[in-house]
Amino acid sequence: SAVISQKPSRDICQRGTSLTIQCQVDSQVTMMFWYRQQPGQSLTLIATANQGSEATYESGFVIDKFPISRPNLTFSTLTVSNMSPEDSSIYLCSSTNAGTGYGYTFGSGTRLTVV
Amino acid sequence: SQQGEEDPQALSIQEGENATMNCSYKTSINNLQWYRQNSGRGLVHLILIRSNEREKHSGRLRVTLDTSKKSSSLLITASRAADTASYFCLFSGGYNKLIFGAGTRLAVHP
Repeated sequence: SAVISQKPSRDICQRGTSLTIQCQVDSQVTMMFWYRQQPGQSLTLIATANQGSEATYESGFVIDKFPISRPNLTFSTLTVSNMSPEDSSIYLCSSTNAGTGYGYTFGSGTRLTVV
Repeated sequence: SQQGEEDPQALSIQEGENATMNCSYKTSINNLQWYRQNSGRGLVHLILIRSNEREKHSGRLRVTLDTSKKSSSLLITASRAADTASYFCLFSGGYNKLIFGAGTRLAVHP
């Protein structure tokens, strides 16, 4: 299965600033996703990163707050914009190849603290 | 990464039957989660059970956790064709480390 390199692994940011998280996959994958895990909570899907087109956002998440890029089949970025303390979470990317049923890979996560 | 094990890898049943999936792990955990993945979509959270809980219900779902055996099971009762998907267990062993099972592919036939 694919291996994902996600960075940064953690960051402490000032409110009002933005942070871009990167995920690099070691092989081409059809699907990439971004998740958020707030403290003590389960994973929540933010959006599906679509190669060459706008991401598909889940309910409660908007492009202005979480712009996503996916310029090719191995790379994606998530930006957390105009951050507030409520954005303090772990952010994870993941990938899979459609049709395999499983073989789902996660990045190691970015632990974001907004002060 | 340390991956949990799920069995069966694939399960095929008729509508109305119950489906049971099992998950085992090796590390100590804070909680265990079950997720569902429809083909071509991301993981959707189903249910979370904490390490101090033994059983949890949500609609037609029942999850059990046996920390002494390091195992969990997901039971879907009165299955429907729309339950066809892959199901994953996911462990949280620490704030920044997630471990997932290989998944069970469930097919429910009308």
